[in-house]
Amino acid sequence: QVQLVQSGSELKKPGASVKVSCKASGYTFTSYAMNWVRQAPGQGLEWMGWINTNTGNPTYAQGFTGRFVFSLDTSVSTAYLQISSLKAEDTAVYYCASVPGWEPLWGQGTLVTVSS
Amino acid sequence: DIQMTQSPSTLSASVGDRVTITCRASQSISSWLAWYQQKPGKAPKLLIYKASSLESGVPSRFSGSGSGTEFTLTISSLQPDDFATYYCQQYNSYLTFGGGTKVEIK
Repeated sequence: QVQLVQSGSELKKPGASVKVSCKASGYTFTSYAMNWVRQAPGQGLEWMGWINTNTGNPTYAQGFTGRFVFSLDTSVSTAYLQISSLKAEDTAVYYCASVPGWEPLWGQGTLVTVSS
Repeated sequence: DIQMTQSPSTLSASVGDRVTITCRASQSISSWLAWYQQKPGKAPKLLIYKASSLESGVPSRFSGSGSGTEFTLTISSLQPDDFATYYCQQYNSYLTFGGGTKVEIK
């Protein structure tokens, strides 16, 4: 079954870091790019960037440079999003998404809450 | 970067109405367009991919059309379960999303 499964919700304090995982199954992980999408509370969907799953080269969208890092562990077909120096405004649901064919494939989302 | 302009942002309709949502791309994306339905607290649900292909399990009252820069999502007869927010997404070059259309009860 083709799917992306993300790690569970996180509650973090301001200034901390978080690492969200996205495990792919049912397709060749290294053949298709992995994207990350953010949805802040009550807001729309915002593309954060993508990582080349063959080379590991990341590309960050405007507004997602510096504190955001995309990485991979191809041995377990997993992509990661790490956010450092967390701020309250990072509170959002984070989705991974790929297109291993004609149609997009999404993870179920990971809620990251930043609160003191 | 490809921009996606979705309209309207809000739509008030009644059960049984025919509803149309439009998405315009800033440059040609061929047919690499998807439509999603999202309800509060839930992940987006894929309805249509490749502009007009119906995702498995999605009711046939949903349909998509268009190519190039102009696309539409049509709900032929609005049902109570269809009141939600809808997004278009291009996947021709990276990913870009429309701003969303909230379908409300009239």
